[in-house]
Formats: sequence, structure tokens, C-alpha cells
Amino acid sequence: GIQVEQSPPDLILQEGANSTLRCNFSDSVNNLQWFHQNPWGQLINLFYIPSGTKQNGRLSATTVATERYSLLYISSSQTTDSGVYFCAVAAGTASKLTFGTGTRLQVTL
Amino acid sequence: NAGVTQTPKFRVLKTGQSMTLLCAQDMNHEYMYWYRQDPGMGLRLIHYSVGEGTTAKGEVPDGYNVSRLKKQNFLLGLESAAPSQTSVYFCASTPGRGGTDTQYFGPGTRLTVL
Repeated sequence: GIQVEQSPPDLILQEGANSTLRCNFSDSVNNLQWFHQNPWGQLINLFYIPSGTKQNGRLSATTVATERYSLLYISSSQTTDSGVYFCAVAAGTASKLTFGTGTRLQVTL
Repeated sequence: NAGVTQTPKFRVLKTGQSMTLLCAQDMNHEYMYWYRQDPGMGLRLIHYSVGEGTTAKGEVPDGYNVSRLKKQNFLLGLESAAPSQTSVYFCASTPGRGGTDTQYFGPGTRLTVL
């Protein structure tokens, strides 16, 4: 099956700093999503981005499908950005996602 | 819309007991999924369904059964619980059938098997 690697595994930022999270995947995909799992365990979809670039407020994401990686940018980080960020990919039909092990982000004052 | 809901939120079982987790969605989505999340790991797919009356195995299906008798509900059953099934279980749904493939997750069920 597809392998998904995320880096870095852990990240500590001061409020206001910017960061880049990376997701590498081992095969061609037709579905790539970024999720944020907040400290209470809720999973929120951030982006559906199998290719190209999208922006939503302070967050943006870029997927270069031909090179099999995706980047999630967080600008002007806030304490509410803390949690775990997951990249998940799928190939073929039925959107069966394979998740990476996540990047744990802690934003401090 | 309530989105995706899961029942119960917490449960403690003894080894060998059985239980059913209920997932319900009110978005008229075709596809539904059950995942488990273990500490320090991402989510792993247990079973999924691409429509009412259909089910299929995911990455870690052993020890679980599922049913999708109604489009809005997806049930996950543990016939004889084992300590290795201690985990947080998440249900998700997506429109499917050519619609957006964004997955929407329920709040999770924390299961402990003693």
C-alpha cells in the first residue's frame, strides 16, 4: 500500500511564528487531505488538495503530485493552532485514506 | 445539520464481551468509513461502505464486523472484544459518486477493553 511520511514529528513555535509541515507519499494519488486534530480529539478537514495550491486564511497548502509531496503552511501561528496535523492520501476509487503519523504542533505564548 | 455523530462517546468492556458502535450522518453521503486511532499513530481504516447495503474490508478488519442497512447509518460490531481493540474509533463520511471527496469525521468513541 501507499506509504505516507510526515515531517517534522514534533514542532514547538512561539505565537506569531510561521511554519511548514511536509507530507511525502510513495505512489500516485488522486486524493490528498490535510486534517487538524485538536487537543480534544476532534478531526477537522483543512484542505482537500490532490494537486495545486489552496489558501484559507492563515493556512495554505501546496501539493506537487508529480514529485509526491505536499506542504502545509501556517502563518502567524496562534495557540489555537496547537494539536496534531495529519496528511492522508488515497488512490483509486472509494477514497480509502491512508494516514501519516502526524506532526504534533505546540504553539506557546 | 448535526454532521457525523457517534454513539457512545466512551465505553469500557471486559474481554470477550460484545458491543456495537453506531455512526449516523445527516448529509446524505454515499460513502462511510470506520477508522481506529492508537496512541502516537495516524488513523487506520477498519471497514468502509460505498452505499446502502454494501461493506468492504479496510486495512485492519480482523475482529470487527459492519453493517449499512440504512444510508445514514454505519454500525461497527465487536463480537468478542480483546485488549488489543482498546483504541479511539472514528467514523467518517464523504459524498462519493463524483462529488467532493472531503471526509467529515465524527467526534470519536473511546473504547477500553480490560
